[in-house]
Amino acid sequence: GAGVSQSPSNKVTEKGKDVELRCDPISGHTALYWYRQSLGQGLEFLIYFQGNSAPDKSGLPSDRFSAERTGGSVSTLTIQRTQQEDSAVYLCASSVDLALRRELFFGEGSRLTVL
Amino acid sequence: AQTVTQSQPEMSVQEAETVTLSCTYDTSESDYYLFWYKQPPSRQMILVIRQEAYKQQNATENRFSVNFQKAAKSFSLKISDSQLGDAAMYFCAYRSVYNQGGKLIFGQGTELSVKP
Repeated sequence: GAGVSQSPSNKVTEKGKDVELRCDPISGHTALYWYRQSLGQGLEFLIYFQGNSAPDKSGLPSDRFSAERTGGSVSTLTIQRTQQEDSAVYLCASSVDLALRRELFFGEGSRLTVL
Repeated sequence: AQTVTQSQPEMSVQEAETVTLSCTYDTSESDYYLFWYKQPPSRQMILVIRQEAYKQQNATENRFSVNFQKAAKSFSLKISDSQLGDAAMYFCAYRSVYNQGGKLIFGQGTELSVKP
């Protein structure tokens, strides 16, 4: 597609349930990032993928969070046993590669609300 | 670890006027990139301008320019001739050239409102 696509746009779930958030990056982009934006806060890095290299998971806040990227394209962020503090907007971004001056292109995010 | 601080949670400007958004950062590195991103209500982050630390010349993009003071670790964004469409959250971000996979480290954001 023309831009980074994320789904669902909004998700409301009950505490304790698992959720999956999907990111479809720009075609040809090898680098993919997940960020979390809590209410009134900046963006918190979660994980990034670059090609076939092992992902950098250093930003994942707990072992309830995991992510995978299939075929070097679509990525899924999974949150198990959701907690209320997981409520946030989850933003995905992609980049042509990891060259540092490269612009990151962001999706519109998935707003997660945990009741 | 690097940190980015935006000390102005909210700013307001009159249409057609000029406004400056502040950003400071903390790093021990000598080379890095700095960015300003805009986030409108659609939530999609959009790159406004970038600066490479080894370049002394301040970056400009049309009505947007930066004042990069490397010694002071300051990176402010100036918006000239403000337009209603400039209303958004603005985030300052840092990117290391040495490690961390090129991920961006963001400040807390400044919400800019533009008055007609």
